Amino acid sequence: DQQVKQNSPSLSVQEGRISILNCDYTNSMFDYFLWYKKYPAEGPTFLISISSIKDKNEDGRFTVFLNKSAKHLSLHIVPSQPGDSAVYFCAAMGNGANSKLTFGKGITLSVRP
Amino acid sequence: KAGVTQTPRYLIKTRGQQVTLSCSPISGHRSVSWYQQTPGQGLQFLFEYFSETQRNKGNFPGRFSGRQFSNSRSEMNVSTLELGDSALYLCASIPLAIGSGANVLTFGAGSRLTVL
Repeated sequence: DQQVKQNSPSLSVQEGRISILNCDYTNSMFDYFLWYKKYPAEGPTFLISISSIKDKNEDGRFTVFLNKSAKHLSLHIVPSQPGDSAVYFCAAMGNGANSKLTFGKGITLSVRP
Repeated sequence: KAGVTQTPRYLIKTRGQQVTLSCSPISGHRSVSWYQQTPGQGLQFLFEYFSETQRNKGNFPGRFSGRQFSNSRSEMNVSTLELGDSALYLCASIPLAIGSGANVLTFGAGSRLTVL
């Protein structure tokens, strides 16, 4: 059962435009969400996170939006740059003693120069 | 400070063999998690170790096992390898157990296993 879903496997965007990466989740116990970026031959690196008590978190060109009622979050990258081309993973976790990070399958973002 | 170190980076095995992968977490980090990455399934959680104890386990068969040593270094072992075990195995560390005020995993570069 895929509790974190990234339904679009890929996204192509023109340099300078906005990239919007979507993520849906099914587990209402999730209360913390993260985005990771992964380049080939490297491990994923943390990008940005958001707690369920917020609906928006911004860090430079990256903004994450959370819609709890829809169980949906999105990552906006503005403006997109060729160096942003990578695989982006959405991850979620709940609270408690047996918390673990559950990842989606990832979205491959290509930013065209 | 040094990041998460995984060895070996690449290895090739044949079906039926077993493999051991090693992970050295960031100094001072006591929790180590392992993930399997395959093209169709993304990152799937294998297990988490904290203070030498397995704290959480994913839905993988018993052929997948792990352990953590007193210096927080961790190993995972896969026995009786199958073709479907070919994947990138990622290790991540965190100062405390996941959820105990610590949420952001730092990943190593991974060990790429190919089973022929």
